[in-house]
Amino acid sequence: DAKTTQPTSMDCAEGRAANLPCNHSTISGNEYVYWYRQIHSQGPQYIIHGLKNNETNEMASLIITEDRKSSTLILPHATLRDTAVYYCIVDGGGGGADGLTFGKGTHLIIQP
Amino acid sequence: DAGVTQSPTHLIKTRGQQVTLRCSPISGHKSVSWYQQVLGQGPQFIFQYYEKEERGRGNFPDRFSARQFPNYSSELNVNALLLGDSALYLCASSLTGTALTYEQYFGPGTRLTVT
Repeated sequence: DAKTTQPTSMDCAEGRAANLPCNHSTISGNEYVYWYRQIHSQGPQYIIHGLKNNETNEMASLIITEDRKSSTLILPHATLRDTAVYYCIVDGGGGGADGLTFGKGTHLIIQP
Repeated sequence: DAGVTQSPTHLIKTRGQQVTLRCSPISGHKSVSWYQQVLGQGPQFIFQYYEKEERGRGNFPDRFSARQFPNYSSELNVNALLLGDSALYLCASSLTGTALTYEQYFGPGTRLTVT
């Protein structure tokens, strides 16, 4: 699995858009970009995934660059409940037989 | 519908003892994966089971074993506990164990403390 690089921590004001970057310069053609988050003392929660097109769901938007070497997760109107560690993962398809490879993620702190 | 459930919530064991952790996947999900999360780190993959067969194994010693039952629930066993086994053990379920599964649904975890 390709490795990802994320900032250790980020702050965002409540109500503003939170933009979380992820670098995955060694991603291969069949690997997806996944985002999970983990609120303190809970299990990780799936947010969104994409291959090469931008994706949007009720939680977030995922913007993947044309060369697929980086991506940005966007939480459009951050709330205090969005404070969590956000993990960017690249994988061939849901974690299959090798499991998902989590890094240390980005600790996003939403400020009131 | 109930999500992934794990038991017990917390557990304290002594070095050298054995422990069994349990997981019930979301109804209809046939794959269960186990992860270990030590403090300050992301979860690390231990095992994946699909249709009662081991499909994948992470870099963990043979002291770690698991199994999946006909109802797709799963148990994780750890023998000869070490202090370093203290962690949050997470179970995740997904529809299938093959590629293109996309989403894994995690339980709340079992907090194991080894003294």
